[in-house]
Parts: sequence; C-alpha cells; structure tokens
Amino acid sequence: DTEVTQTPKHLVMGMTNKKSLKCEQHMGHRAMYWYKQKAKKPPELMFVYSYEKLSINESVPSRFSPECPNSSLLNLHLHALQPEDSALYLCASSQTGARDRGSPLHFGNGTRLTVT
Amino acid sequence: SQQGEEDPQALSIQEGENATMNCSYKTSINNLQWYRQNSGRGLVHLILIRSNEREKHSGRLRVTLDTSKKSSSLLITASRAADTASYFCAPNTNAGKSTFGDGTTLTVKP
Repeated sequence: DTEVTQTPKHLVMGMTNKKSLKCEQHMGHRAMYWYKQKAKKPPELMFVYSYEKLSINESVPSRFSPECPNSSLLNLHLHALQPEDSALYLCASSQTGARDRGSPLHFGNGTRLTVT
Repeated sequence: SQQGEEDPQALSIQEGENATMNCSYKTSINNLQWYRQNSGRGLVHLILIRSNEREKHSGRLRVTLDTSKKSSSLLITASRAADTASYFCAPNTNAGKSTFGDGTTLTVKP
C-alpha cells in the first residue's frame, strides 16, 4: 500500500464522457504530479503543482484539465478523450517543488484508464 | 528536461545472483534517483545519490555515481524472485524536472 491514494483504480469511458481522476496524500507534501504511462514505457510527466499552483504543463492537450483544490488533493478532469489516451495515470507527490533539489517522488498505484 | 537511459533493457538472472543495471544522462545533475515498478503498480523510490557522493548502500542495493562519465549503476545483490520488476533512473537538475528513461526489466527466476 502507498501513502498516495488514487481513485478509481479502473475506469472505462466513452469518447463523449466526462470523468475525473482523484489523488490524495496526507504526508504534507507541497508538490503533486500527474504522469501518464503507456504499456512497457516509462511514465511521462503531464502536470506539476507546487504549493497548489500549476507550475509545469508539459504541453498536454486541453482535454486533460488538472485541478488542485488544496494541498492534499489533486484531480485530473477528462473530457472528449481519444482511444490513444488509454493508459495508466499515475499521481505522485514530493516534499518540495519540482524546481527544488529533486525530492523523492511518492507514487500512487494509478488509475487504469480505457477509452472506448 | 534531463532523461536517463538505462542499460540493459532487459535482464534475466537466477535467484541468488547479482543484478547490475546502468544509467547514463546528459547534463550536470543535483542528484540521481532509482525507482522500482512492479507490474501494474506505481513506482517506488529506492535510493537517492547526490552529485557529491560516489557510492551509496541501502540493504541489498548499492548505487554508484560517476559524474565525470555522467553515469550511475544500481547493483542488487543476492537477488530474489520478489525483485522482479522494472527499474528506472531519474537524474535531477537544479533547473527543473527530471524524466524517466525507458527502464530495465529485471526477471529473477526462482
């Protein structure tokens, strides 16, 4: 079990659906991250929030919309996704922000997303 | 962004043997981290080595760092079937984020 909790574990959605992925941590970490991972590939960084502000957006399409309601929660809102967006979506947190001295990342176990 | 490249891509050994995997990177780093990922799970942080360190140990793990060659190695001694996983290095710079290389897939046969 990890200290970063992601829900749901699995999600199947159609291309016209709107859904949200949720991530929660209670370690007092001030940086939170979304990664996308395709099968047999490394995680690819999507977004970074530092002190609840979006600090990095890796040119992610607007059909992915992140939100950080507070320091413990991170959401990823999904709308009008494509089948190629099917992947494992990983949330992570770290003690300090991405532009600091590279604190270790703590990952959740991800949401397995399938877009039909 | 800084990306590590792991070598080999895949490694298969018998239980009890040692496993060594390597990571190369391109620019100056602050630290370098190694992570493990079991199939279908999140990544787990294993060890962090700072740029002014040359070697670090944690249990059966030994990490070395050679900043002149821009490379690092992860040694797992006395491997177990439970060590079967993918291993990723993540070089970190002061300037910003780090990214993960393609990883080494380790299979330890009982």
